[in-house]
Amino acid sequence: AQKITQTQPGMFVQEKEAVTLDCTYDTSDPSYGLFWYKQPSSGEMIFLIYQGSYDQQNATEGRYSLNFQKARKSANLVISASQLGDSAMYFCALSGGSYIPTFGRGTSLIVHP
Amino acid sequence: GAGVSQSPSNKVTEKGKDVELRCDPISGHTALYWYRQRLGQGLEFLIYFQGNSAPDKSGLPSDRFSAERTGESVSTLTIQRTQQEDSAVYLCASSLSGGRNTEAFFGQGTRLTVV
Repeated sequence: AQKITQTQPGMFVQEKEAVTLDCTYDTSDPSYGLFWYKQPSSGEMIFLIYQGSYDQQNATEGRYSLNFQKARKSANLVISASQLGDSAMYFCALSGGSYIPTFGRGTSLIVHP
Repeated sequence: GAGVSQSPSNKVTEKGKDVELRCDPISGHTALYWYRQRLGQGLEFLIYFQGNSAPDKSGLPSDRFSAERTGESVSTLTIQRTQQEDSAVYLCASSLSGGRNTEAFFGQGTRLTVV
C-alpha cells in the first residue's frame, strides 16, 4: 500500500515570496515516482513536476522545485517568487509498483498581493 | 483535440437513475484512470485501464459502478441506481504508458449532482 500525507490544509504567502508545501509519503516499493499537480478553481489538474526515487538531484521546473529527502520520505514543493496566479489547490502524488498514482488531500495556497 | 476530453461537463440526475460518463484520452496513451473528487477532498482512485483491460478495479466503491474501455480509446464510467453520495466530480486521466515515471494528463471532469 502507498500513502501520501499533506498536513497543511491551507497556506498563505505574500506575492514574490517563496513558499514550501509539505508532502510525506509511505511505500514499500523500492522504485517510485513523485508528482505535484496544481488545481485552480476551474478544476483542471495541471502537472507541475516529477521526481524519480533514484534521481540523485532534486527536480526543478522554472519556479517550481522539489525538495526530495528520501530518507525522511518527504517530497516538498517549493514555489519561488509567488504570483497571484499560483493561488490554487496543490496535490502531491506517488506512483509505485501498481502504476496507479495515489494522491494526498491537497493544500490550498493563497497568494496575497 | 490535444487533451483529455470528458463529457458531459455537468450532469444533474435524479436519485435511482443510471448515468454514463465518457472519457476520450490523449491519442496514443495506453493507460487510463478514473478518479472521484468530492467537494474539498482529494482524489479517490476508482479504476485503471492498460489498453482495454482493467488490471485494477479495486477502487470501485460498489457493484453499482462499472467501467469499460474500447481498445486504447474511449472509456465509459457507468453508475447505476445513483445515490446522493455519488455526487462528486469524476476525473479521467491518461498517460503514455502508465508506469511510475509517467505523468498523468487530466480532463476537466464531469460534475455529477444527484438530486
